Amino acid sequence: AQSVTQLGSHVSVSEGALVLLRCNYSSSVPPYLFWYVQYPNQGLQLLLKYTSAATLVKGINGFEAEFKKSETSFHLTKPSAHMSDAAEYFCAVSVLPSYGKLTFGQGTILTVHP
Amino acid sequence: DTAVSQTPKYLVTQMGNDKSIKCEQNLGHDTMYWYKQDSKKFLKIMFSYNNKELIINETVPNRFSPKSPDKAHLNLHINSLELGDSAVYFCASSQASSGANVLTFGAGSRLTVL
Repeated sequence: AQSVTQLGSHVSVSEGALVLLRCNYSSSVPPYLFWYVQYPNQGLQLLLKYTSAATLVKGINGFEAEFKKSETSFHLTKPSAHMSDAAEYFCAVSVLPSYGKLTFGQGTILTVHP
Repeated sequence: DTAVSQTPKYLVTQMGNDKSIKCEQNLGHDTMYWYKQDSKKFLKIMFSYNNKELIINETVPNRFSPKSPDKAHLNLHINSLELGDSAVYFCASSQASSGANVLTFGAGSRLTVL
């Protein structure tokens, strides 16, 4: 079975600072990895996905993540935080043929200070 | 044009009642899901239907009965509601044949059981 651990339930940064949200996964077979963002009272929106192609994945809103098999990590970064990035971020893993059975991490709430 | 729409958005009811949440997707996807997000924001899959056939049932109590009348709809009926059923229920859809397990989520239905 696969699992996801997100280190840090809360991350706080200043506007313009680097955003780093950590995600480690466990899977016995090659995984697919995802980052989703959830704004207050809204559903989850896909930020980016890794599906065994390039290890550095670029997503929407300037976010990117790098798949590191040796570290079993898929950390999410953004060079410069914007106030609108404040939300909760979920890392998720799935393996084929899982028909969309995503296993989610606990979520990280990102706060951006002016 | 909402891709995945759920109704109702909010539902408050008494213990022991029976309630339903409806979900519709207009993306032409062949697979639909119900996920439950508890009070700690932990997301977990409940059910998945592919072409109206149940393919994932994650040890959910049989008080929960999903129904998929066609590929575009997946409804969730809950009998004899309990306090622990209070949560946000997310519907999602994907195209299983794409292989990437990319889910599109609805905005969620917040169920409160009193």
